[in-house]
Amino acid sequence: GNSVTQMEGPVTLSEEAFLTINCTYTATGYPSLFWYVQYPGEGLQLLLKATKADDKGSNKGFEATYRKETTSFHLEKGSVQVSDSAVYFCALTPRGTGNQFYFGTGTSLTVIP
Amino acid sequence: EPEVTQTPSHQVTQMGQEVILRCVPISNHLYFYWYRQILGQKVEFLVSFYNNEISEKSEIFDDQFSVERPDGSNFTLKIRSTKLEDSAMYFCASSVLAGGHGTDTQYFGPGTRLTVL
Repeated sequence: GNSVTQMEGPVTLSEEAFLTINCTYTATGYPSLFWYVQYPGEGLQLLLKATKADDKGSNKGFEATYRKETTSFHLEKGSVQVSDSAVYFCALTPRGTGNQFYFGTGTSLTVIP
Repeated sequence: EPEVTQTPSHQVTQMGQEVILRCVPISNHLYFYWYRQILGQKVEFLVSFYNNEISEKSEIFDDQFSVERPDGSNFTLKIRSTKLEDSAMYFCASSVLAGGHGTDTQYFGPGTRLTVL
């Protein structure tokens, strides 16, 4: 079946620290992979995506590489800011339009000055 | 930038009452979805909707749930007789229809928090 396992939180980092949030997946086919972010009081916003092996999604300084051999899609950022404090969700969808998303449990990140 | 909107942001209801959660998807999107997130748990798929009919639904989406696109802009989720365990954040999402590369991104609304007392 399809599922996403995500690093447990919460995570607390100091400003300018390096961030890694681990995400691994199982899928019946060749899925597309996503990271969504949820800022306090807001909805799920697409952060980045990758649709095939070795693709690197990037946005706002965040990166994640689609690793088919390890079935992983870890989120990284070299230097976090206080404004990055949010909940981060890893997700996958089977290839094609209109398929459901499968989400991880979410990782809460707090960045302190 | 176009976005998905949801109303209300918070709904409190008594057990056994009917609730309708409303969503306005992005205007040129043709696939619509509902998800829910019980506090502390995963975001779970409920249902997808295309061409005025349900295209996929999960085990959670039982006879107490229904969806409708009553006009050209709104997409609603109805729960006929709410239970305590229906308390959750409900997210609406939409996506484009093209069938090619990059069309599977879903865009989410801010959610409606449903509290059943």
